[in-house]
Amino acid sequence: AQSVTQLDSHVSVSEGTPVLLRCNYSSSYSPSLFWYVQHPNKGLQLLLKYTSAATLVKGINGFEAEFKKSETSFHLTKPSAHMSDAAEYFCASSGTALIFGKGTTLSVSS
Amino acid sequence: GAVVSQHPSRVICKSGTSVKIECRSLDFQATTMFWYRQFPKQSLMLMATSNEGSKATYEQGVEKDKFLINHASLTLSTLTVTSAHPEDSSFYICSARDVGPGTGYTDTQYFGPGTRLTVL
Repeated sequence: AQSVTQLDSHVSVSEGTPVLLRCNYSSSYSPSLFWYVQHPNKGLQLLLKYTSAATLVKGINGFEAEFKKSETSFHLTKPSAHMSDAAEYFCASSGTALIFGKGTTLSVSS
Repeated sequence: GAVVSQHPSRVICKSGTSVKIECRSLDFQATTMFWYRQFPKQSLMLMATSNEGSKATYEQGVEKDKFLINHASLTLSTLTVTSAHPEDSSFYICSARDVGPGTGYTDTQYFGPGTRLTVL
């Protein structure tokens, strides 16, 4: 069965430092993978998606993620955090419907 | 492009009343829409998959008679919470899967902004 595991429930960084949000997936085939961001009381915004083209995927707002089949990982990174990046981040895998991880709360301090 | 709207954004109702939430894909057609429920500080829980012109498919444990879903067109799905009770209070989010150009579809889901339901 497909599953998505976000390894950290909470990540705290300082403004201007790199961000790493970790996601591992489990699937019997190469799935499509997504990262979404959710600000408080808002819906989900698509940051980026992997659909078996390039393994390094660039998204919006300076985020990118690398698909590593050998590690079954799809970690989200950003070189320099901004205060506005503070939000909830969800990794998801496609199937009949999206399968979400439990989410990672990103806090950014000044 | 790929904008999904939800209406209302927030609703407060009395216990026992019914509430309808609309989900619209504004600039693309969506043969499939999804309804999720999200509890505070938790991930999204899929409630049902709504297919245009056919009955919705409900996830295990979701009462189809309580959460009525209608997907009458390629751009509109509605969720009606019937005889709402305080335990139905939650954040409801819909998403729409882009049909995509030509004959294929992408498997990208675009999400609405959510509806905060509070049942008193």
